[in-house]
Amino acid sequence: GQSLEQPSEVTAVEGAIVQINCTYQTSGFYGLSWYQQHDGGAPTFLSYNALDGLEETGRFSSFLSRSDSYGYLLLQELQMKDSASYFCAVRNAGNMLTFGGGTRLMVKP
Amino acid sequence: DAGVTQSPTHLIKTRGQQVTLRCSPKSGHDTVSWYQQALGQGPQFIFQYYEEEERQRGNFPDRFSGHQFPNYSSELNVNALLLGDSALYLCASSLTGGQNTIYFGEGSWLTVV
Repeated sequence: GQSLEQPSEVTAVEGAIVQINCTYQTSGFYGLSWYQQHDGGAPTFLSYNALDGLEETGRFSSFLSRSDSYGYLLLQELQMKDSASYFCAVRNAGNMLTFGGGTRLMVKP
Repeated sequence: DAGVTQSPTHLIKTRGQQVTLRCSPKSGHDTVSWYQQALGQGPQFIFQYYEEEERQRGNFPDRFSGHQFPNYSSELNVNALLLGDSALYLCASSLTGGQNTIYFGEGSWLTVV
């Protein structure tokens, strides 16, 4: 089977940096995706890592270590609008996503 | 360029009834996947359609069925609804081959009473 572990909740203040970790056990690994979901909304694509290393997209960065079955999402210069749930998801070769349980991020002023 | 569109956005059904949800993928995409997301949980993969055939299936009973049309749009059907089927149903659109981004629609909120 496949399983992903990520913290259930993280709290940080505006302007700070936060890192959300994700460990996975899976077969047929193709890459690790990150999605943001605001309450009542759809998952929005943030980042994708197929190879080891860091991918940077504006204030968001994502890292992958395939040998450690580990990745993280780094959010810099936190804003109130970043308060949302963040999901890591393993992607297989057939574009199927297996999601973690999600990390609820609360940004405080 | 329209993104992934789903309908209806909200619906209420009674136990035992049947429901059909619809999805139009992002322009240029040929693969549609369906996910179920219960409150407070991550989305769970139901199945995927490509070239009008079911290609992958998650751990869902055969009460859940689907279809893909020649224009790549898709339907999700759920028969004999149970209270536990109440969830957000998400459609994901992608292009087969390569490391293309997978996009989600806004979802259909189903409440079974």
